[in-house]
Amino acid sequence: GDSVTQMEGPVTLSEEAFLTINCTYTATGYPSLFWYVQYPGEGLQLLLKATKADDKGSNKGFEATYRKETTSFHLEKGSVQVSDSAVYFCALSGGYQKVTFGTGTKLQVIP
Amino acid sequence: DTEVTQTPKHLVMGMTNKKSLKCEQHMGHRAMYWYKQKAKKPPELMFVYSYEKLSINESVPSRFSPECPNSSLLNLHLHALQPEDSALYLCASSQGLAGGLGQPQHFGDGTRLSIL
Repeated sequence: GDSVTQMEGPVTLSEEAFLTINCTYTATGYPSLFWYVQYPGEGLQLLLKATKADDKGSNKGFEATYRKETTSFHLEKGSVQVSDSAVYFCALSGGYQKVTFGTGTKLQVIP
Repeated sequence: DTEVTQTPKHLVMGMTNKKSLKCEQHMGHRAMYWYKQKAKKPPELMFVYSYEKLSINESVPSRFSPECPNSSLLNLHLHALQPEDSALYLCASSQGLAGGLGQPQHFGDGTRLSIL
């Protein structure tokens, strides 16, 4: 079945540091890939998405590229802020009404 | 502000109580979902409604009973819950079925449920 593997957290960075959160997946066919973010006390929000190989999703300074050859969708940001502190979930959907989530990576940004 | 509204935000109930969680969206989405999320874990799918009909039940115990009265509303009726059912319950909606043509899900902020 489908699966998503994310790097374990927590990830602690200083403000303005470079961020990478690794995500790899296993799926049949051509899934759509997503990054969701969950701030404390809130639900999940879509951060970015990509629907086919080599697509780059981007939003609020975050980027991720759909790499079919390495089955990866790593999340990056050039300069993190304290307000980026949250839990980040990588997810995929093969179109069968279900979304498979990774375990989540907690990011803590310190001033 | 979230476009999926869930009420109540917090709920404390005893194991013999009956209560309901409510979810509402006005984005014209035709697929709606219930998830359960335990602390420090990803959401776990419980139910999927497509065009107001139940299309997926992930072997959820019968003490959880979903209902979709119309295309904007989704309820989750609770009865005789156990302490291990304490969790954050998230509702989500999507324009089409999740993942189809890259359709993202829109989540509410959840109901935090505590079972005494």
